[in-house]
Amino acid sequence: GAVVSQHPSRVICKSGTSVKIECRSLDFQATTMFWYRQFPKKSLMLMATSNEGSKATYEQGVEKDKFLINHASLTLSTLTVTSAHPEDSSFYICSARVANRGNEQFFGPGTRLTVL
Amino acid sequence: AQSVSQHNHHVILSEAASLELGCNYSYGGTVNLFWYVQYPGQHLQLLLKYFSGDPLVKGIKGFEAEFIKSKFSFNLRKPSVQWSDTAEYFCAVNEHSGNTPLVFGKGTRLSVIA
Repeated sequence: GAVVSQHPSRVICKSGTSVKIECRSLDFQATTMFWYRQFPKKSLMLMATSNEGSKATYEQGVEKDKFLINHASLTLSTLTVTSAHPEDSSFYICSARVANRGNEQFFGPGTRLTVL
Repeated sequence: AQSVSQHNHHVILSEAASLELGCNYSYGGTVNLFWYVQYPGQHLQLLLKYFSGDPLVKGIKGFEAEFIKSKFSFNLRKPSVQWSDTAEYFCAVNEHSGNTPLVFGKGTRLSVIA
């Protein structure tokens, strides 16, 4: 149990376009989802925390107008990278916390975004 | 705010060698501690976790970690590594109470050679 999926796994887009990444908890309800960004050979940097039905809380330095997060249901959160630029190219990973399983976070497989 | 430091950026070991990866955190309160592994091309997997109780925690694949509160450390160990242990290892921490996200260290790349 506690499987998190992401779609797409890989996306290439042109500069200026927007890209939506989906994160789903497949067999549990996630009251909280997190979005991380991982640079090559670097650690995971927390971008934002989202609770179902409420606005996401963004970490310092993360542009909320650029990285739109929606957590409309207990099994789905989306990250939209708006007007993407090459510097947005990265590996984006979502994570979900299970309400009745303490503080454990389960991670999705990640989405590789390449902006040309 | 919490922070996590992992001392080793890249560790290279021969098969059957013993492994110890360092992890220190900074936070004044009670924490939960985790070690995750990321195999090449795969997503993060939980190796082990500490919430409370016995400070020596055993995880999957023969890994263990010891929480030493006085040293703010949670080092990962394995007595005998295998080639298949080649991966990136991340230490993470979050507050014991409350709905706070995991904060990760920068990771340690382990390369096991035959």
